[in-house]
Amino acid sequence: DAMVIQNPRYQVTQFGKPVTLSCSQTLNHNVMYWYQQKSSQAPKLLFHYYDKDFNNEADTPDNFQSRRPNTSFCFLDIRSPGLGDAAMYLCATSRAPQGAGETQYFGPGTRLLVL
Amino acid sequence: DQQVKQNSPSLSVQEGRISILNCDYTNSMFDYFLWYKKYPAEGPTFLISISSIKDKNEDGRFTVFLNKSAKHLSLHIVPSQPGDSAVYFCAARNNNAGNMLTFGGGTRLMVKP
Repeated sequence: DAMVIQNPRYQVTQFGKPVTLSCSQTLNHNVMYWYQQKSSQAPKLLFHYYDKDFNNEADTPDNFQSRRPNTSFCFLDIRSPGLGDAAMYLCATSRAPQGAGETQYFGPGTRLLVL
Repeated sequence: DQQVKQNSPSLSVQEGRISILNCDYTNSMFDYFLWYKKYPAEGPTFLISISSIKDKNEDGRFTVFLNKSAKHLSLHIVPSQPGDSAVYFCAARNNNAGNMLTFGGGTRLMVKP
């Protein structure tokens, strides 16, 4: 089945220790998104890639970076995780960035714990 | 400033009855609305959507109503089933500004047998 895969599902890191979360998709979608969701809050868009074009949300901290080496993979790098970065990180994809019929398909998320 | 709000954090409904989940938005530029359902340990999955040119969209047991003048939409599930128990997120976007979704905080629905 075509899907969005996130690994690992749970990640524990230490305060200040760089961590990378990964996302892959078999949908061949052009757009990939990273969201941060803290407990009982709405998912918040961090950035997205349209093909190789990177689009950062204005309020995304510099501590968060992303890489998309090819269509299938996208990585979220947190350079120096703080306690406030503990959250669920959701990856999503869509065929195109615009269009009334477009929807986003989400992966299961990676829950990050910062000790 | 929350542009999409789901004021009820939780809702409990008896099996077979109607579930009504509400969502309010403030940005009049939003022109497409979606509902996502999220089970524990899974990512949100798309459920149903509505364009701002419509006021109702129905898909099986799920119906979404849009009241543009009130900037309000609701999701009706009838009849509710225990398997519908999940967190429901309302999301909105401005099609002229790309496919960026703004989510509400979610409503946890519990359908009791």
